Amino acid sequence: AQTVTQSQPEMSVQEAETVTLSCTYDTSESDYYLFWYKQPPSRQMILVIRQEAYKQQNATENRFSVNFQKAAKSFSLKISDSQLGDAAMYFCAYRSTGTASKLTFGTGTRLQVTL
Amino acid sequence: AAGVIQSPRHLIKEKRETATLKCYPIPRHDTVYWYQQGPGQDPQFLISFYEKMQSDKGSIPDRFSAQQFSDYHSELNMSSLELGDSALYFCASSLSAGGPGETQYFGPGTRLLVL
Repeated sequence: AQTVTQSQPEMSVQEAETVTLSCTYDTSESDYYLFWYKQPPSRQMILVIRQEAYKQQNATENRFSVNFQKAAKSFSLKISDSQLGDAAMYFCAYRSTGTASKLTFGTGTRLQVTL
Repeated sequence: AAGVIQSPRHLIKEKRETATLKCYPIPRHDTVYWYQQGPGQDPQFLISFYEKMQSDKGSIPDRFSAQQFSDYHSELNMSSLELGDSALYFCASSLSAGGPGETQYFGPGTRLLVL
């Protein structure tokens, strides 16, 4: 079974600064997908970014980018120019290939953004 | 763009009662997933359906059952409710042939409180 580990329960960043959230995973599969989801106080789960394991290029979505190290099984999220609206719980998630495969989540990192 | 719809948004039940949660996926999405998120925890996969057939099953209690109907909406039926069933229940949907990781899009969740 796959596992996802987020070792930082809480992180803090000043507005306009950059922060990196860590995620490691364990799998014996060679092809899979990785995601970062954001859960603000409303508790809505919002997709931030996704990465296909077969792609060497790191995914980028505006201020959000990932550092995907397949050999190290590491998938960190970098948030640039942090904004107050970025304050939320961030979950890293793993998904096998195949139709209707479930998401396996890490325990989450709570990000606080300060002025 | 249309999103995943869940109803009701809030539900209060007594112990040993039953509850039915409904999920309406994004139009054209053929796969539905159910997750349970307890207080301060990450979402845990319960069950998924692809083209109206059960696809995968996670840590879903025997007291719970679910199905996907011909119009692709899904219902999660919960019987003999226990205090520990109090949680946020998410439905997510995806398009099986949708490309990049068949990204799962989450509904707003149903908050169930069992008294």
